[in-house]
Amino acid sequence: DSGVTQTPKHLITATGQRVTLRCSPRSGDLSVYWYQQSLDQGLQFLIQYYNGEERAKGNILERFSAQQFPDLHSELNLSSLELGDSALYFCASSASSGPYNEQFFGPGTRLTVL
Amino acid sequence: GENVEQHPSTLSVQEGDSAVIKCTYSDSASNYFPWYKQELGKGPQLIIDIRSNVGEKKDQRIAVTLNKTAKHFSLHITETQPEDSAVYFCAAISAGKSTFGDGTTLTVKP
Repeated sequence: DSGVTQTPKHLITATGQRVTLRCSPRSGDLSVYWYQQSLDQGLQFLIQYYNGEERAKGNILERFSAQQFPDLHSELNLSSLELGDSALYFCASSASSGPYNEQFFGPGTRLTVL
Repeated sequence: GENVEQHPSTLSVQEGDSAVIKCTYSDSASNYFPWYKQELGKGPQLIIDIRSNVGEKKDQRIAVTLNKTAKHFSLHITETQPEDSAVYFCAAISAGKSTFGDGTTLTVKP
């Protein structure tokens, strides 16, 4: 158990809908990262937040947005869902914002768009 | 942007043999190279990492080597055990952004 929790574990929805994925980092970690893992695109970095502020942005679509709240939990919002958004979404956390900090991954949320 | 290529995509070894997975990267600004192990139904887990100012790092049966000039780095697992069976990912970090290889499925046959 990495100490990172993600809810829900599974999510099934329809095209065009909007969903929110939630992540609670390890106790004391200030950075949260979001990743998408799909069969065709592999593991892709989406976005990083550090202590409530966006720190780095990867291949995140405009239909997706994220935020980190004062209690340090983070949410990833996916809107106007398409079939291709079906994937595993992982959250990871680390102690601080630097590149050398070990990232601890949560168990993931499996999103299925029908 | 950064591009990371990982080989082989699948690797099967006998228990006790060594396994080597290789990655190349394109962005010379990448300065941190972690390796992750992902078991079925779980998130990736860091197993070893190396910074750009180091050529080699070892942790028990696992070692990583980095050749900055050639822009490639490798994972070496010695004395493999069945519990080493998993998918392994390399990654290159540049400006805080991680780029992953496509993964190697390692199977260790008892």
